[in-house]
Amino acid sequence: NAGVMQNPRHLVRRRGQEARLRCSPMKGHSHVYWYRQLPEEGLKFMVYLQKENIIDESGMPKERFSAEFPKEGPSILRIQQVVRGDSAAYFCASSPSDTNYGYTFGSGTRLTVV
Amino acid sequence: EDQVTQSPEALRLQEGESSSLNCSYTVSGLRGLFWYRQDPGKGPEFLFTLYSAGEEKEKERLKATLTKKESFLHITAPKPEDSATYLCAVQAPSGSARQLTFGSGTQLTVLP
Repeated sequence: NAGVMQNPRHLVRRRGQEARLRCSPMKGHSHVYWYRQLPEEGLKFMVYLQKENIIDESGMPKERFSAEFPKEGPSILRIQQVVRGDSAAYFCASSPSDTNYGYTFGSGTRLTVV
Repeated sequence: EDQVTQSPEALRLQEGESSSLNCSYTVSGLRGLFWYRQDPGKGPEFLFTLYSAGEEKEKERLKATLTKKESFLHITAPKPEDSATYLCAVQAPSGSARQLTFGSGTQLTVLP
């Protein structure tokens, strides 16, 4: 079991470009979560998805950010027109229906906006 | 609003020197309290889930306990490989009831 796979590990974008972050959940996990960790801050919830559905996006910024988890393929977190304040580590986690065993996190994508 | 406060922010121990990390929380209806370990440049690694006051769980040198207001992570006879940031998170019936609210973590350094 390869665990939660995130790519790329590091991503550099110029201001105004788009960033696409990918997440493949653990085998057998149907729930995906995205968290953001800003420098010197804790992990903050962004969005919770199941296949083809956004269940809870209460932590997503209102503009420029979107997420999807299609029927086939990985979950994608898309940030349009990136700004310096978007520089952070973005972590994806997955879980089965039962969360008694916690959420398994990936190693994250570190986005740097220059 | 759910709040999670971890203390101390940083802790330095000598190898073999036992100690405890604290996680205080304010939530309306706790569904679960989670402890994670995070190494530099990596994602959080799941350690424990606690659900009700009085519950305890152990794994190697770590023991987690839960009361109605706080949780403790006890580290017995730590080794240098226990050095990491330890994160506490709560799951409460807000929103989808699936999101976790994390504390800022305790950075533990165990010196040989």
